[in-house]
Amino acid sequence: EAQVTQNPRYLITVTGKKLTVTCSQNMNHEYMSWYRQDPGLGLRQIYYSMNVEVTDKGDVPEGYKVSRKEKRNFPLILESPSPNQTSLYFCASSRQQGNTEAFFGQGTRLTVV
Amino acid sequence: AQKVTQAQTEISVVEKEDVTLDCVYETRDTTYYLFWYKQPPSGELVFLIRRNSFDEQNEISGRYSWNFQKSTSSFNFTITASQVVDSAVYFCALSEALFIGSGYALNFGKGTSLLVTP
Repeated sequence: EAQVTQNPRYLITVTGKKLTVTCSQNMNHEYMSWYRQDPGLGLRQIYYSMNVEVTDKGDVPEGYKVSRKEKRNFPLILESPSPNQTSLYFCASSRQQGNTEAFFGQGTRLTVV
Repeated sequence: AQKVTQAQTEISVVEKEDVTLDCVYETRDTTYYLFWYKQPPSGELVFLIRRNSFDEQNEISGRYSWNFQKSTSSFNFTITASQVVDSAVYFCALSEALFIGSGYALNFGKGTSLLVTP
């Protein structure tokens, strides 16, 4: 089954404790991206990757890092999480760069206390 | 500046009513793509439709229909004979090239929350 898998689904952590949210897709898609969803703000892009070893900032990259060492994986790293990063995070992949449908993971609800 | 505007934050209708969700976009590109996604209460994002800027044909899929009008930069979504299962947040999104030779950025509107009551 074609899918994008994020882990964990839910996470509560403390300020400053490094964490990684994993994202994996099994569709051999080149393009992957991370979004955060906040009430009243919709989805905003954090980072995107056009291919292996090619990543770039989206609209709200501050406080986040990503890596794309393999085509299927695109982890999101919060080196020092802060409460304003409490949000619902989505990973997405698509066959081409934005002109085909994006497949989304199930979401990761992160709470930073 | 907001590239995709969904002016309706929340809509409430009674089952079997028709409802239209508005989407207005802003772009200078001649080539761009428009999408609608559905986010049911369970939280996942479900792709509904993609439209490219060169195809202004309206589309119908069951009870769903989409009206794309370049003249007014709108891509509205109509649900006919709404059902309780249609209750969800609906997002309109615009994909345009960041710059020549770059990838595309997918810009979402803030979403419209639709509640269909029995």
